Amino acid sequence: AQSVTQPDIHITVSEGASLELRCNYSYGATPYLFWYVQSPGQGLQLLLKYFSGDTLVQGIKGFEAEFKRSQSSFNLRKPSVHWSDAAEYFCAVGAGNNRKLIWGLGTSLAVNP
Amino acid sequence: EPEVTQTPSHQVTQMGQEVILRCVPISNHLYFYWYRQILGQKVEFLVSFYNNEISEKSEIFDDQFSVERPDGSNFTLKIRSTKLEDSAMYFCASSLSGRDTEAFFGQGTRLTVV
Repeated sequence: AQSVTQPDIHITVSEGASLELRCNYSYGATPYLFWYVQSPGQGLQLLLKYFSGDTLVQGIKGFEAEFKRSQSSFNLRKPSVHWSDAAEYFCAVGAGNNRKLIWGLGTSLAVNP
Repeated sequence: EPEVTQTPSHQVTQMGQEVILRCVPISNHLYFYWYRQILGQKVEFLVSFYNNEISEKSEIFDDQFSVERPDGSNFTLKIRSTKLEDSAMYFCASSLSGRDTEAFFGQGTRLTVV
């Protein structure tokens, strides 16, 4: 069955520290992978996506993610976290011809000053 | 920048009442979606809509739910007789095509059934 796992429910980092949020997926075909961010009271904003090609993808706000087929992973990284990055982060895989999204549970990121 | 807009942002309704959640997708997009997120749970796919008909629906999307694109701009989700367990954040999304493009999401409508 198709699924997405985000093993970390909550992560706290210090401002300026590096960040890696983990995402593992289970999908039979070539996955279309996404990271979305949800700030308090806001909608879901696309950070970055992977469809094909270069397995290291760059997104907005200084985020990047690396697709590793052998590990079924699509981890999100940022070299230096800012206080404004505190939010909920969701990994998702696009499935089927309609590309419906199958979501992970999300990782809540807190940033200490 | 084009965006998906949803109204209302928050709706409180009594159990058994009908509710209609409204969405205005991005104007040149062709695929439309509804998702919901019950508090503390995953975002769940409800339904996708293309070419004026449902293209896919989940097990959640039973006879109590319906979607409609009544005119060229709005996309609505109707819940006929709300239950307590329908309380959730409902997100509308649209994409230019079903494949190879990302979905853009609205701000969500928080539905509270009392």
